[in-house]
Amino acid sequence: DAGVIQSPRHEVTEMGQEVTLRCKPISGHNSLFWYRQTMMRGLELLIYFNNNVPIDDSGMPEDRFSAKMPNASFSTLKIQPSEPRDSAVYFCASRRERGGTDTQYFGPGTRLTVL
Amino acid sequence: KNQVEQSPQSLIILEGKNCTLQCNYTVSPFSNLRWYKQDTGRGPVSLTIMTFSENTKSNGRYTATLDADTKQSSLHITASQLSDSASYICVVSPQINDYKLSFGAGTTVTVRA
Repeated sequence: DAGVIQSPRHEVTEMGQEVTLRCKPISGHNSLFWYRQTMMRGLELLIYFNNNVPIDDSGMPEDRFSAKMPNASFSTLKIQPSEPRDSAVYFCASRRERGGTDTQYFGPGTRLTVL
Repeated sequence: KNQVEQSPQSLIILEGKNCTLQCNYTVSPFSNLRWYKQDTGRGPVSLTIMTFSENTKSNGRYTATLDADTKQSSLHITASQLSDSASYICVVSPQINDYKLSFGAGTTVTVRA
């Protein structure tokens, strides 16, 4: 069974450029999460989708960040324009929400470096 | 202030030895507590999960304990192996909006031969 798939695994870009991160959740999962991990702040939730609908985007740092989930098998996180402080590892996670102790399964992450 | 505090920040142990990691949390009311293992360059993977009514859970050489009264948890690694070298993250899920996980900063474990 394939896990959560993220692409690219590494991205290096220059300040001001647009960055798009991609995620394919586990088949059958109805919830998707985008996280950011840095040494200073650890793991932070950016946005949560349920059944392709954004439920909580309170963690999105500012208007430069946007996320979409056009269907149950694909999501994107876009940063435009990118800044050096956006450098971090971005994780996508998914889960099958049935109520109770549902596990979030994390992808391998995208390491973003903004020069 | 972080609602999940872990200690120590890092530790080094010799292969075959045991170690114990600590987690204190203030999330209340809470639904469950998990320990995740994160290998370098990989995403976190769930090791154990405990609800408030459980006080111990094992997964192979990993044993987690929970004291809901004192809001403390520990993860014990028995007979460590080189593959146990990773970051171990304590994660607490609240009862309301259970998707909003509170993450500890992690304990980095290095196992040396």
